[in-house]
Amino acid sequence: QVQLVQSGGEVKKFGASVRVSCKASGYTFTTHAISWVRRAPGQGLEWMGWISPYDGATNYAQNVKDRLILTTETSTNTAYLELRSLTFDDTAVYYCAREETSSGWYEVWGQGTLLTVSS
Amino acid sequence: QSVLSQPPSVSGTPGQRVTISCSGTRFNIGTNYVYWYQHVPGTAPKLLIYKNDQRPSGVPDRFSGSKSGTSASLAISGLRSEDEADYFCAGWDDTLSGRVVFGGGTKLSVL
Repeated sequence: QVQLVQSGGEVKKFGASVRVSCKASGYTFTTHAISWVRRAPGQGLEWMGWISPYDGATNYAQNVKDRLILTTETSTNTAYLELRSLTFDDTAVYYCAREETSSGWYEVWGQGTLLTVSS
Repeated sequence: QSVLSQPPSVSGTPGQRVTISCSGTRFNIGTNYVYWYQHVPGTAPKLLIYKNDQRPSGVPDRFSGSKSGTSASLAISGLRSEDEADYFCAGWDDTLSGRVVFGGGTKLSVL
């Protein structure tokens, strides 16, 4: 079955960087973009960006574009999120999601990765 | 402040019908599809409605979506206790080089 499996929770210091992985299975990895969405405590869902595994094209949300790097590794069907210069506001659950044919359409989600930024 | 506006909370009793609104602009809802998600914190979000009013397989027909102009709505009929969750509208916004936007979310309480 189609699924996305994310790496485990992380605790990082303020100012550090984090890398979260999202391994896809059950479909041809290069046919669907992967988006990353997060939800901070007490906040709503926030789109961070997407990447096309087919050609590496990316689109980042304005508020994180200077700190966010999305990549994919087609040999292992894995997408990565790297977020630098972490602040306390980055504490959230991070989800990867498979885009269908229209942006914003996510039928398949990863299980989520909790990132906690500490002092 | 979210690009798409939703009421912070709605409530209903079992069996009732509730609606959740989502207001946008011509740059998002006015010209692009609307999607609805159900999210219980600690779990993965679940797609309820795609392309304004389509239900994925497995989503009960108690959930329905509609769109008119720059607004959209999610209706839940025959309310059940397990419907208690946060609900988000989403879609593409043509501004700022294009981006996916979510509504601020609506907490549904089943009393």
